[in-house]
Amino acid sequence: EVQLVESGGDLVQPGGSLRLSCAASGFSLYDHAMHWVRQPPGKGLEWVSGISWNGGDIGYADSVKGRFTISRDNAKNSLYLQMNSLRTDDTALYYCAKDINGAQYYALDVWGQGTTVTVSS
Amino acid sequence: DIQMTQSPSTLSASVGDRVTITCRASQSIGDWLAWYQQKPGKAPRLLIYKASSLKRGVPSRFSGSGSGTEFTLTISSLQPDDFASYYCQQCKSYSTFGQGTKLE
Repeated sequence: EVQLVESGGDLVQPGGSLRLSCAASGFSLYDHAMHWVRQPPGKGLEWVSGISWNGGDIGYADSVKGRFTISRDNAKNSLYLQMNSLRTDDTALYYCAKDINGAQYYALDVWGQGTTVTVSS
Repeated sequence: DIQMTQSPSTLSASVGDRVTITCRASQSIGDWLAWYQQKPGKAPRLLIYKASSLKRGVPSRFSGSGSGTEFTLTISSLQPDDFASYYCQQCKSYSTFGQGTKLE
């Protein structure tokens, strides 16, 4: 079964850091671009970051650029999101998602169940 | 950055209705558009990719059309299971989601 499982979400103070992980199973991460998408409580979806199959093309939403870093370890079939200088408006459910394609972003056909990040003092 | 604008934000409809949701891009994105359905407490589900390609396993009452800057998602005959939120997503330049449409 194709599956993505996120972990690492927590309560953190403003200005703090957190590292999210996403473990893939049932398919090889190597063949696919991967993404992080977040959803604040009661609000819509926001694309956060994406990374091509080999890490050669990386993109970020303006809201997280310079603070978040996406990375992947194809050998471990895992995706990561390092989140620094966290702000209260980063509070959200963070989803890991698999792209249909490897290089050019196409569409997200497999999603995890999400991990919750709460930024509050 | 490419902005995506969906309309309407909320849509009231009944079982059996034909419904259409519109998504507009701030600049041309070709056919690099996907549609998702999301139910409360669940992860989004891909319905349509490349503007009009139906994902395998998605009911044929769902269809997508458009290119350039204007796109539509149509449900030909609304079923009880279709009441949910719907999002468009551009994948031309990195990615952006529309703000969503709640179908009630």
